[in-house]
Amino acid sequence: GEDVEQSLFLSVREGDSSVINCTYTDSSSTYLYWYKQEPGAGLQLLTYIFSNMDMKQDQRLTVLLNKKDKHLSLRIADTQTGDSAIYFCAVPHGGYNKLIFGAGTRLAVHP
Amino acid sequence: DTGVSQDPRHKITKRGQNVTFRCDPISEHNRLYWYRQTLGQGPEFLTYFQNEAQLEKSRLLSDRFSAERPKGSFSTLEIQRTEQGDSAMYLCASSFVGSYSNQPQHFGDGTRLSIL
Repeated sequence: GEDVEQSLFLSVREGDSSVINCTYTDSSSTYLYWYKQEPGAGLQLLTYIFSNMDMKQDQRLTVLLNKKDKHLSLRIADTQTGDSAIYFCAVPHGGYNKLIFGAGTRLAVHP
Repeated sequence: DTGVSQDPRHKITKRGQNVTFRCDPISEHNRLYWYRQTLGQGPEFLTYFQNEAQLEKSRLLSDRFSAERPKGSFSTLEIQRTEQGDSAMYLCASSFVGSYSNQPQHFGDGTRLSIL
């Protein structure tokens, strides 16, 4: 079945860029997603990329997709304390697009 | 667009009791998904509805779990004879998928279940 891997922790200084990485196994996915989860809350859709794209930019967020290596990354420019959260990479699997999630990367932003 | 709404936000119950959660999807979304998230993990797929039809169930969904979406709008997830291992956050998501549209899933804030 589909497997999605993420590093568990990332610590950055406020104002720096953050890069969160994700690898996946299923190459048939049409879209790949990034979600953000704050403590005690549900998942907020951050951005997504279509599989025929290499890059997508959305304000401070840049998504890079390397289909050959099955590698997805999320770059957050000018990281702020409000960006502290858990970030999940999600890949659709199967005919009904159920999402397979990584374990999440906890981003800590310090002054 | 009021977003996906889940009720209750928190549920504390004794082992062996039955519990029921409700999810109201974004209006006009034809797909509804249930996921379960345990501490330190990403959400795991439980089941999925296309309108009122339940089309897929995960092996995680034991016989004690049942989900319905009777009129193709809101959905309920019931757990009978709860066990300690059922303690988790239960998340609902909805999306619209049509012939020319494949929208991403939007999640509610979840129901956190604690079994005493």
